[in-house]
Amino acid sequence: DSGVTQTPKHLITATGQRVTLRCSPRSGDLSVYWYQQSLDQGLQFLIQYYNGEERAKGNILERFSAQQFPDLHSELNLSSLELGDSALYFCASSNMGSPYGYTFGSGTRLTVV
Amino acid sequence: GEDVEQSLFLSVREGDSSVINCTYTDSSSTYLYWYKQEPGAGLQLLTYIFSNMDMKQDQRLTVLLNKKDKHLSLRIADTQTGDSAIYFCAESINQAGTALIFGKGTTLSVSS
Repeated sequence: DSGVTQTPKHLITATGQRVTLRCSPRSGDLSVYWYQQSLDQGLQFLIQYYNGEERAKGNILERFSAQQFPDLHSELNLSSLELGDSALYFCASSNMGSPYGYTFGSGTRLTVV
Repeated sequence: GEDVEQSLFLSVREGDSSVINCTYTDSSSTYLYWYKQEPGAGLQLLTYIFSNMDMKQDQRLTVLLNKKDKHLSLRIADTQTGDSAIYFCAESINQAGTALIFGKGTTLSVSS
């Protein structure tokens, strides 16, 4: 167990729907990162939050949004889902400024049908 | 823009050494990382190297950094079947805080 918890592990939904993925960071970590992993695009950085504030944005679509709550857990909202959004979504957390990189959760596998 | 390139596949025999290569683009990267992903799991940090170092050794793992060529490599000595996994190279992008940019991963297959 890495200490980063992601729920749900699997999600199957229809096109056009909206889903929410949840992440609880490792105890003491203030930064949360969201990544999308697909076969053709590899691991794409979506967005970073630090202590409740958005810190950096990557290749995140306008249909996607995220937030980090006062208890530091984070949610990634995906709306108007398309078949191409099917992927593994990873959350990672870190101690800002640490050289030790991230700690990853085990991911949420989203399948859009 | 930032880009991290890796070869996609590597196949070795058990007991041989494996060398996984990576090129990166951001010369201001402070740290460079190697992560391992086993099937059905998240990414696990293997090792990292600070940009002012040329080499770092950690048990069976050796990381070599050539800053001039922006080339990073990971050598796994005495490769075992349990080393079969996807290996990701990543660089830190200062402009995005501590966000890491990953390569697409190298699938290492170890045969006995």
